[in-house]
Amino acid sequence: DTAVSQTPKYLVTQMGNDKSIKCEQNLGHDTMYWYKQDSKKFLKIMFSYNNKELIINETVPNRFSPKSPDKAHLNLHINSLELGDSAVYFCASSHSRAGGQPQHFGDGTRLSIL
Amino acid sequence: QKEVEQNSGPLSVPEGAIASLNCTYSDRGSQSFFWYRQYSGKSPELIMSIYSNGDKEDGRFTAQLNKASQYVSLLIRDSQPSDSATYLCAVNSLIYTGTASKLTFGTGTRLQVTL
Repeated sequence: DTAVSQTPKYLVTQMGNDKSIKCEQNLGHDTMYWYKQDSKKFLKIMFSYNNKELIINETVPNRFSPKSPDKAHLNLHINSLELGDSAVYFCASSHSRAGGQPQHFGDGTRLSIL
Repeated sequence: QKEVEQNSGPLSVPEGAIASLNCTYSDRGSQSFFWYRQYSGKSPELIMSIYSNGDKEDGRFTAQLNKASQYVSLLIRDSQPSDSATYLCAVNSLIYTGTASKLTFGTGTRLQVTL
């Protein structure tokens, strides 16, 4: 029944490792997003895909690479993890790329870098 | 300059009172505005959306929008302890390419409803 689901919920790893986070939505939405919420709880958009096409790419280090195999899935791969990457990463989806569409969030992936 | 500003709080109100949460934004072209509630350790949950000037009511929640003043607010009537959470204001605006829009979030206001 979960609308937007992310795996894993928790990720604890060492600096320098590479890791991936997966996201799937069953809402039939066309647009998906990755957000980062830092320790101060500030939620900032990283990427957005519309029907497998990258439409938003904010100023994010190129160690972060999103991939959307189809419109229901959006994954995030992070290379060479750094301490500053520790945060909660949220996936979200909306009906379309048009303005005014509310976004629905997954439960988040808490990434901790040792 | 912050694009969406909120008072971080905590805003403390007694149970049964009205909680008033405020948000200002900088992009005059913004057309869509949202309030999300986030409990500690949980994901943001949409509680209100507003698109035109004036008030919009949904149960105990009222969103108010004044585009001329670039101001959005959320009123919670008959506040309950279960309303204690961080409330995030989000403003939708076009990205520079004009081909998509994005939500910009404020840093949130932490609300505490006391017994």
